[in-house]
Parts: sequence; C-alpha cells; structure tokens
Amino acid sequence: DAGVIQSPRHEVTEMGQEVTLRCKPISGHDYLFWYRQTMMRGLELLIYFNNNVPIDDSGMPEDRFSAKMPNASFSTLKIQPSEPRDSAVYFCASNLLAGGRNEQFFGPGTRLTVL
Amino acid sequence: SQKIEQNSEALNIQEGKTATLTCNYTNYSPAYLQWYRQDPGRGPVFLLLIRENEKEKRKERLKVTFDTTLKQSLFHITASQPADSATYLCALGSGTASKLTFGTGTRLQVTL
Repeated sequence: DAGVIQSPRHEVTEMGQEVTLRCKPISGHDYLFWYRQTMMRGLELLIYFNNNVPIDDSGMPEDRFSAKMPNASFSTLKIQPSEPRDSAVYFCASNLLAGGRNEQFFGPGTRLTVL
Repeated sequence: SQKIEQNSEALNIQEGKTATLTCNYTNYSPAYLQWYRQDPGRGPVFLLLIRENEKEKRKERLKVTFDTTLKQSLFHITASQPADSATYLCALGSGTASKLTFGTGTRLQVTL
C-alpha cells in the first residue's frame, strides 16, 4: 500500500481565495482525521470521520472550514475564504480501530501559505 | 480544560546515552497513551502504545512508562544514535473513540 496520500504537498494562495486539500486514506481503514500543525499550537485535530460519516468537528476553527468524505477512499478539507492565520501544515491520517493498537497513519502533509 | 505538556525546549544528548522525554497531562483520564516520531517535513510515525493498566512497555531500544497517579509518561531511548534525532510527540486516547489528543512535542538532538 502507498500509505496515506495528500495533495497538493505545497499550496501558496492569496487571502480570500478558496483552498481545497485532498486526502486518500489507506485502503480498508475506517477512520480518517484532519489535523493542523503550527509551531505555536502543535498538532490540532480539526475533524474526524468514521465510515465516511463526520463524528466530531469541534476542532474546526470556524465556518470558513469544511470537510467532506464522499466515499471511503477520498476526503477534502476546504477553506473559503482563506486568511493568513490559516497558514500551517495540514495532515490527514487514517486508522483501523479494529486493529487494536489505534495506530494512526499520517500522510506527508500539505504546507499551506496564505499571503 | 485538557492539557498535555511536553518539554518545549530541545533535548541535546551525546550518542550512546539514554534520552528521557516527559509527557505530563491534566484534566484527562486516558485509556491509553501513544508515542510518535516526527522528522522534518514528514508526518508523525507511530512508535509505541501503552494502556492505562500497563506500567511499562518495551520495543527494542525504546521503553515507555505510564503512571496514571502522577499523570505522566516517560519515553526512554537507550544507546541513542544520531539517527534518533527527531521530534517526539505523545498522544492520549480514550477507551471507545479513535480520537487522539497530541502534545506539542519535544525535539531530540543526538550528537556524536
């Protein structure tokens, strides 16, 4: 398996633009997580899905952020409109809870810069 | 509110010594605790899991302890090597959900 795949790896955009980040989880995993990492706040959970259904979106900072998981192999995180304070590295992770270890597998991340 | 604290200052040690990293938490009753390694420009990678009823877990040169009374976990790397240089994150999880809460991480630098 190729692991968790994220695209793009880097995104530079201007304030006010819409940004869409994409994630393909590991095949067979039933949980998908979106995180944001900054130096100041560390790794923060934004939202997670179980079997394509959003379970907890309490970490989504505001209505400008939205996430979807239309099927088991694809998820998007959208920011509209983007602001400079959204600049961070965004990670997608997946796991299979039935595996027992609750080990999360992370993608390589998308580095977002909002000018 | 829940709080997880890891030493924000980098830990510098000499090759061959034992590195000890600390994870303290408050207002949380985790069912298990995990440690991850993160290299620059990459996502975190799982290392070890320890459950609330376990005191110690080992894997090769790694050892983790979990004291639910002190609300603390210690992560040890014995015979450290320059290749162990990375940021190490602790993460706490509850019993039923798959959700993890991460600490901010401690950067370890192992020098020759």
